[in-house]
Amino acid sequence: RKEVEQDPGPFNVPEGATVAFNCTYSNSASQSFFWYRQDCRKEPKLLMSVYSSGNEDGRFTAQLNRASQYISLLIRDSKLSDSATYLCAVNIESGNQFYFGTGTSLTVIP
Amino acid sequence: DVKVTQSSRYLVKRTGEKVFLECVQDMDHENMFWYRQDPGLGLRLIYFSYDVKMKEKGDIPEGYSVSREKKERFSLILESASTNQTSMYLCASSLFASYNSPLHFGNGTRLTVT
Repeated sequence: RKEVEQDPGPFNVPEGATVAFNCTYSNSASQSFFWYRQDCRKEPKLLMSVYSSGNEDGRFTAQLNRASQYISLLIRDSKLSDSATYLCAVNIESGNQFYFGTGTSLTVIP
Repeated sequence: DVKVTQSSRYLVKRTGEKVFLECVQDMDHENMFWYRQDPGLGLRLIYFSYDVKMKEKGDIPEGYSVSREKKERFSLILESASTNQTSMYLCASSLFASYNSPLHFGNGTRLTVT
């Protein structure tokens, strides 16, 4: 079983739409959680960390559900520039290892 | 801002060649990592290091070795390149012993082995 799983999509949404991605993790000892954005043929860039109480950064909201072992990313008022692949990452307690989902592809359509 | 620099954006090597991928970070991070990324497989950890001269195998270390002689530099070595090592290689760094410290990636090296 994979440590981290994501729906690969693609998600095609119109500008202004709200879109949500989920990411499930299998190890209950997971300690920290992150969302990354990756543009085509570029490196992943940190979008936001995910805190236990949930956190918001502008149009982006991240939440953690430890009981069900998933994290989510909500994007409100989608912009064309939000088109990218979104990767979730989990840091396991047992070491300095990060596990990544395979990414969810988002295309925002004019 | 954290800067992680990989020495080459694109490399083309022949089967059997020895290949060195270099990575340097400027934020005094203890941890450094090498991943490869392939379509449909996502990011897979090759090796990581939490201190100078220390290394740990990741999920797919076969065919690779690493070197960390200085804190800021982490090298990935393909002893004898093979076509199945054609991939995007990503170096990353993070603070040690801080579970909320994210990974910061270099801009990647796209390696083609012919």
